[in-house]
Amino acid sequence: NAGVTQTPKFRILKIGQSMTLQCAQDMNHNYMYWYRQDPGMGLKLIYYSVGAGITDKGEVPNGYNVSRSTTEDFPLRLELAAPSQTSVYFCASSSQGAHSGNTIYFGEGSWLTVV
Amino acid sequence: AQKVTQAQTEISVVEKEDVTLDCVYETRDTTYYLFWYKQPPSGELVFLIRRNSFDEQNEISGRYSWNFQKSTSSFNFTITASQVVDSAVYFCAPPEAYGGSQGNLIFGKGTKLSVKP
Repeated sequence: NAGVTQTPKFRILKIGQSMTLQCAQDMNHNYMYWYRQDPGMGLKLIYYSVGAGITDKGEVPNGYNVSRSTTEDFPLRLELAAPSQTSVYFCASSSQGAHSGNTIYFGEGSWLTVV
Repeated sequence: AQKVTQAQTEISVVEKEDVTLDCVYETRDTTYYLFWYKQPPSGELVFLIRRNSFDEQNEISGRYSWNFQKSTSSFNFTITASQVVDSAVYFCAPPEAYGGSQGNLIFGKGTKLSVKP
């Protein structure tokens, strides 16, 4: 019952450092997403993918990059970390997307602090 | 255009009280889905229910029930005999308006429910 797995769960970065948040799903879902959630707020879409080799920007893509070389994996790359990227990051997946009535399943979240 | 409103920012109840969380969804789409998620203090997002716009039957799952009224664009969530473990932020989330390919969900700030013992 793995579902969506994210690593690491917690990370502290220094300004200017880079890192990759890993995300894997074992449900053979086509759609995958990265969201960020700032304190007391809802989730905002960073990037999404509708299948291997296909990615596109969401609402807040600046400072991030993604790749989707396999159906299972959807890593999120933070380049030149800034304090504004301090947030909780959620990876999620869905068979065909919520607009088709399919549930989106979320990972447990990754808490990132940039100091 | 689409707009989801959870007017209740925070609700506080005493254990065993019933509580209703309101959600109003305005859209031009004639058919749509709505999802409810729960985010407990531990932070994970837990899927609760998905409803579609052409099914107005109430849904009941244990102590949880959902009342969907298309005429008023409301999709309300009631917890009967609330428990401390129900303390969480609850999100009513529609998909991004149809026509886009993302299939993602739109999240507002949600409603924070605190259940006191």
